[in-house]
Amino acid sequence: GAGVSQSPRYKVAKRGQDVALRCDPISGHVSLFWYQQALGQGPEFLTYFQNEAQLDKSGLPSDRFFAERPEGSVSTLKIQRTQQEDSAVYLCASSLVLLAGYEQYFGPGTRLTVT
Amino acid sequence: ILNVEQSPQSLHVQEGDSTNFTCSFPSSNFYALHWYRWETAKSPEALFVMTLNGDEKKKGRISATLNTKEGYSYLYIKGSQPEDSATYLCAFGNEKLTFGTGTRLTIIP
Repeated sequence: GAGVSQSPRYKVAKRGQDVALRCDPISGHVSLFWYQQALGQGPEFLTYFQNEAQLDKSGLPSDRFFAERPEGSVSTLKIQRTQQEDSAVYLCASSLVLLAGYEQYFGPGTRLTVT
Repeated sequence: ILNVEQSPQSLHVQEGDSTNFTCSFPSSNFYALHWYRWETAKSPEALFVMTLNGDEKKKGRISATLNTKEGYSYLYIKGSQPEDSATYLCAFGNEKLTFGTGTRLTIIP
């Protein structure tokens, strides 16, 4: 079946622009996660949802970052007034249930470059 | 702050040789340990999720062990093939995962 998809795959933004990154999870998956991977680092947690409820947004680096999942399926990560330090790969993952020990299935990521 | 460490950072292995690498994590409040395989320009691929001390899991030529009391997991690859070249990530946690920085494996034909 279809896996997690993300769009766009690559995004170049000028400093100060707003960007929106989309994630389509696996159909029927309750949980959705966003991670940020800076160059040379492992992915770092940003936020997660159970259905449409955002249960934890403790990893969002600033109030310029905003995530939503209004219908409990597709999610969008929005970054306002992008800065160079926002350059990273943004990974989305989905999981059937929100429990430890369940696999998180990842999309291919969106590589954001802020110039 | 959870600290997940992987070693080595990178590894070159001759085709046909076996290899292994390590993930260390906090030994208290253990939930689950995940291993992922990530090839460039592709999605990270889930290899194993391990939840019990002493767990051993196997998928083809790849296997993993878990020691929650001392806080480490080993990933083994037997008879390396060029298609095994990738970055191997481990991640620790309950819902939200804390990742190591990965071991970059290159198989030399």
